[in-house]
Amino acid sequence: NAGVTQTPKFQVLKTGQSMTLQCAQDMNHNSMYWYRQDPGMGLRLIYYSASEGTTDKGEVPNGYNVSRLNKREFSLRLESAAPSQTSVYFCASSGLAAGGTDTQYFGPGTRLTVL
Amino acid sequence: GENVEQHPSTLSVQEGDSAVIKCTYSDSASNYFPWYKQELGKRPQLIIDIRSNVGEKKDQRIAVTLNKTAKHFSLHITETQPEDSAVYFCAAKGRAAGNKLTFGGGTRVLVKP
Repeated sequence: NAGVTQTPKFQVLKTGQSMTLQCAQDMNHNSMYWYRQDPGMGLRLIYYSASEGTTDKGEVPNGYNVSRLNKREFSLRLESAAPSQTSVYFCASSGLAAGGTDTQYFGPGTRLTVL
Repeated sequence: GENVEQHPSTLSVQEGDSAVIKCTYSDSASNYFPWYKQELGKRPQLIIDIRSNVGEKKDQRIAVTLNKTAKHFSLHITETQPEDSAVYFCAAKGRAAGNKLTFGGGTRVLVKP
């Protein structure tokens, strides 16, 4: 099992450009999450999806949109990137289909720089 | 919503000594409290967790204690080693659906050889 995978690993954008960060999990988890981590800071929730077909805002949703494409995939879109969105973005998933667990497993992260 | 505060923000200990990190949470209905370790440039990884029906849990050199009345929980690392140097995050799961976690601000631990 690959666990949680993210693409790309690194990205540089110019202000105003758009891009989509991709996340996929192969653990049959119901819930998926997008976080951002600024230098020396903790993890802040951007959006989450409790189950396939649902999405909800987290702590810092402004400037972002998400799509839960299917049970495996959860993408994060920046429509018009701003320098304040320079950060490391982590995707995570949790919740086995049978039994259930609260544990969140994180992907390797995408390091995004907006110039 | 849930609010989690973590102290200290940095912690320097001598190899072999113990390290203690404390977190407080605001939502009395929170029922799950994981701790994550993040090495430089890596993803956060779960090291131990505790549920609200348990007061203490231990795994080799690490232990977590929970005081529901006071709404705080702590991470204890004994016999620290240089490889314990990392940033540690506490988190709490509040009332909301989706297993949503609220994270503390992190503690940078440096173990000096």
